[in-house]
Amino acid sequence: QVELQESGPRLVRPSQTLSLTCTVSGGSVNSVVYYWSWIRQRPGKGLEWLGYISSSGSTNYHPSVKSRIGISLDMSGTQFSLTLTSVTAADAALYYCARGATFAGQFDFWGQGALVSVSS
Amino acid sequence: QSALTQPASLSGSPGQSITISCTGSSGDVGKYNLVSWYQQPPGQAPKLIIFEVNQRPSGTSNRFSASKSGNTASLTISGLRAEDEAEYFCCSYAGSVVGVMFGGGTRLTVL
Repeated sequence: QVELQESGPRLVRPSQTLSLTCTVSGGSVNSVVYYWSWIRQRPGKGLEWLGYISSSGSTNYHPSVKSRIGISLDMSGTQFSLTLTSVTAADAALYYCARGATFAGQFDFWGQGALVSVSS
Repeated sequence: QSALTQPASLSGSPGQSITISCTGSSGDVGKYNLVSWYQQPPGQAPKLIIFEVNQRPSGTSNRFSASKSGNTASLTISGLRAEDEAEYFCCSYAGSVVGVMFGGGTRLTVL
């Protein structure tokens, strides 16, 4: 059974960089073609897909964050990470990591989420 | 590009059937048979219940069914149970530039 768990600072100052890591257990992030994704949920709002990195290392990001986002795979094969630069209050959200079975979504495993606040 | 449109809330009594709509455009729901649905109980992470318009992953009850017509996808839950009370999100592929889009979510209350 695949399990995902987010970790990282839960408080980020405005204009700084948000960094989160997703640890994958029960599988490797680079052994089979999956799309390791980050999805966020702002308070009281819907889900917002931010982007993915495939097991082969290709990335795709949502246009709304494309200039600020980076997703990378860890060489250990058990983690992938999110960086979001120049954060504002609008970036405060519950951040989920998820496994996409295809490039088109189909997120079949999710982490429990990491609540990130943005405040000075 | 705006999120897919879902009703904010719906309610039903145990045993009833309800249908949640998800309206997109000719560039997402209408173009690709790549619609998925997620169930999110309060305080929990979302769970995939439908993929590729109408396919159920193993473990999803057959009380959940889904379809698509034009730019609108629909999720039907039959024989409502108290455990179905949750928020439901639709999701569609929207091409290589936009990627994946979600609906705003529908909060289902079982009366």
